[in-house]
This record gives sequence, structure tokens and C-alpha cells, in this order.
Amino acid sequence: DTGVSQDPRHKITKRGQNVTFRCDPISEHNRLYWYRQTLGQGPEFLTYFQNEAQLEKSRLLSDRFSAERPKGSFSTLEIQRTEQGDSAMYLCASSSPGQGQPQHFGDGTRLSIL
Amino acid sequence: KQEVTQIPAALSVPEGENLVLNCSFTDSAIYNLQWFRQDPGKGLTSLLLIQSSQREQTSGRLNASLDKSSGRSTLYIAASQPGDSATYLCAVCKISSGSARQLTFGSGTQLTVLP
Repeated sequence: DTGVSQDPRHKITKRGQNVTFRCDPISEHNRLYWYRQTLGQGPEFLTYFQNEAQLEKSRLLSDRFSAERPKGSFSTLEIQRTEQGDSAMYLCASSSPGQGQPQHFGDGTRLSIL
Repeated sequence: KQEVTQIPAALSVPEGENLVLNCSFTDSAIYNLQWFRQDPGKGLTSLLLIQSSQREQTSGRLNASLDKSSGRSTLYIAASQPGDSATYLCAVCKISSGSARQLTFGSGTQLTVLP
């Protein structure tokens, strides 16, 4: 069990650029979540996948954001035309099937918009 | 809408002291409650998970309790150590009509244990 892996750990980009983050969940976990965390706050839910299907999206996920999990394994989160307000830590979590399973988090990708 | 509040926002204690962190939530229709630890610049490490049918969970020096009816949970840390210094977050998994088991987090308690 190698844990949830996220890449890159840090991303610095100019406003208006597109960025893409990757998450590799724990191998047997079919549920995958993306959260966003700003300084001094707890993480906020963005979106949820069960296998390859994106089943839920938060209203925080504007149309500049898109997430995929094409083969039900790794997932990508893309932000287009980045804005200053997108600066945050983007966290990925995964959990195994069944009710009440704990979510396991990666170390996150810290995005800084110049 | 589920809201989660953690008090205090920050806490500083001398090494060896026992301490209690508090978490309250507004909607008691939850699957479970999870306590996490977060070190600066890092992700979240799961500490304890309490199912809605349970009253408490223990792991080593940590004990978490859940009172679903009053919307409260506490995390008790015994014999605190400097290595316990971190931000502690509680999160509830709300029962919803969808299949997602998204977590709603509090803002955390930043704990400093002084040597």
C-alpha cells in the first residue's frame, strides 16, 4: 500500500495559464475525491468519482475546472485560465467501497498564481 | 447545509499535559466523523474514524468520542508530546441522496506542544 500520490507537489504559474494535476489513488480504492484547501481553512469538496464515473460536483467547481478519471484508476484535475483566487492546496483522497470507509489523503498540490 | 466548527482555533500546552479538542456539527444525519492531523505544507493523516453508531474510538494516546444527538465530538490526547504539534481537523460525512461520501471539514485547531 503506497498511499495516495499527487503530482506535482508545487505548481507556480502566471494568471491565465492552464494547469493540470494528477492523483494516483490507493490501488484497490474505487472512490476518488478532490478537495481544495485555502490557508487557515479546512478542505472543501470539489468532486467525486466512483470508478470512472464523475457522480458529484460542487458548485465550487466552475466551468474552468474539469476532472477526469478515464480508466477508473488515476485522476486529473485541470484548471483553465487560472485566476488569483485559484491559489490553494488541491488535495486528492480515495476510499474503498462500502459505507463508512475512511478517506485517505495525498500530500496535495500547492498552486500559486503569480 | 452541514457546518462544522472547531474550538479553540489554536492551543498551546506544555509537554505532558492531557488536552481536549472540540468539534461541533449542525446536522446529525451523518455516516461517520473522522479526525485528521495536518502538518505544515502536508496532506491529511487520518487519526480516527467513528461510525455514527459508535460512541468512541481509541488509538494509542488518542481517544475520540461522538455524541451525534448533540452534534459534538471531542479528541482527547493524553500525555502530549512536542511531536503532536500540528493542526487537527475534524470532518463529518453527511448522509445525502447521492452516492458520494464527501467530507465537510472544520477549520481546525492548531496545536503547539512546548518542550
